[in-house]
Amino acid sequence: KNEVEQSPQNLTAQEGEFITINCSYSVGISALHWLQQHPGGGIVSLFMLSSGKKKHGRLIATINIQEKQSSLHITASHPRDSAVYICAVASGSGNTGKLIFGQGTTLQVKP
Amino acid sequence: DAGVIQSPRHEVTEMGQEVTLRCKPISGHNSLFWYRQTMMRGLELLIYFNNNVPIDDSGMPEDRFSAKMPNASFSTLKIQPSEPRDSAVYFCASSLQGAVGYTFGSGTRLTVV
Repeated sequence: KNEVEQSPQNLTAQEGEFITINCSYSVGISALHWLQQHPGGGIVSLFMLSSGKKKHGRLIATINIQEKQSSLHITASHPRDSAVYICAVASGSGNTGKLIFGQGTTLQVKP
Repeated sequence: DAGVIQSPRHEVTEMGQEVTLRCKPISGHNSLFWYRQTMMRGLELLIYFNNNVPIDDSGMPEDRFSAKMPNASFSTLKIQPSEPRDSAVYFCASSLQGAVGYTFGSGTRLTVV
């Protein structure tokens, strides 16, 4: 069993839909990251969180430390949100520890 | 800041050749990470440095792989000799302790034929 599991693996949505991607982990962590990788291959860090909830524009990330679970929500989805979303956990101190990655969720938003 | 700069963007080489990948982290960042991404295994940490010192190299596949960080602004990942199974995208990332998030480079797509 992978230490970081994401669901679903693939997701297709219509423009405007509310999207949720889930991440569960089995190791002790100091922080959890959500990353976005576009078809061109570049990786962008969306959020780093260790508790509670963070919001940036139409993106919301939550984490439940007791349940070892995090979710990434996209409100009013748009075709430009199409990308691979990767959950990663940091096992060291803050963001200087190594990351353990989920396998990613491939999101396609259709117009 | 230009971000994390990796070179080359693409590298095609023959099996057995030496390959050197380069990374310039963001100025002021004190942690640097080398990751490898393949279809089969996703993203994996190879090695990371803190203040130019290697902290964890447990992800380095074997002795054919080596990484150096001679100063705060430059790191290399070397594969010698290269093999077809090394074909992957190699990402470098940097971060600042206590700050939020990582910054990834654009990656080097390596193809070993």
